[in-house]
Amino acid sequence: EAGVTQFPSHSVIEKGQTVTLRCDPISGHDNLYWYRRVMGKEIKFLLHFVKESKQDESGMPNNRFLAERTGGTYSTLKVQPAELEDSGVYFCASSPRGTLDYTQYFGPGTRLTVL
Amino acid sequence: QKEVEQNSGPLSVPEGAIASLNCTYSDRGSQSFFWYRQYSGKSPELIMSIYSNGDKEDGRFTAQLNKASQYVSLLIRDSQPSDSATYLCAVNPAYSGAGSYQLTFGKGTKLSVIP
Repeated sequence: EAGVTQFPSHSVIEKGQTVTLRCDPISGHDNLYWYRRVMGKEIKFLLHFVKESKQDESGMPNNRFLAERTGGTYSTLKVQPAELEDSGVYFCASSPRGTLDYTQYFGPGTRLTVL
Repeated sequence: QKEVEQNSGPLSVPEGAIASLNCTYSDRGSQSFFWYRQYSGKSPELIMSIYSNGDKEDGRFTAQLNKASQYVSLLIRDSQPSDSATYLCAVNPAYSGAGSYQLTFGKGTKLSVIP
């Protein structure tokens, strides 16, 4: 079974540009999460999808971040325009729904550098 | 603000010894607790999950949970150099009612097992 995949693995952009990150969850996992780790800090929650619906977006830092999950499969996270403080590693995780297993399975992350 | 605290380390133990990793959390209503292992540049990988007070053993790993003390630990017996990694403690806060299972992470403890 394939794990969570993320694309790209690295992205270097200039301040003010736009970047779109993609996450493909484990097949059949309705729950999809985005997290971010900035240097020296802990991994922090951004938002949670159940299928195509945003269940919790309380961690989104501001309206420059837009997440979508059309069709309830893969998800994208767009940052527009990017700022220096957006640099970090963006992780996606997924988990099944309707079970007692609350484990979240993480992807390898996208390392974003904003110059 | 809900917090998860871990000693950042590095924690150095000789090969074959027991490594003890500790974590405290602030949200008394937290329900689910996870230990993830993260090698440098890789995704967090689940080691153990624990939901009830007491001990849970899986191979060389034992997770211990004490909800009254708001404390969770991970013991690694017969430590191997391949165990050298950063260990992340993650806590699922009390069910928010919104159906979100966001994880709150500690900063991680870096473990080094010396051959």
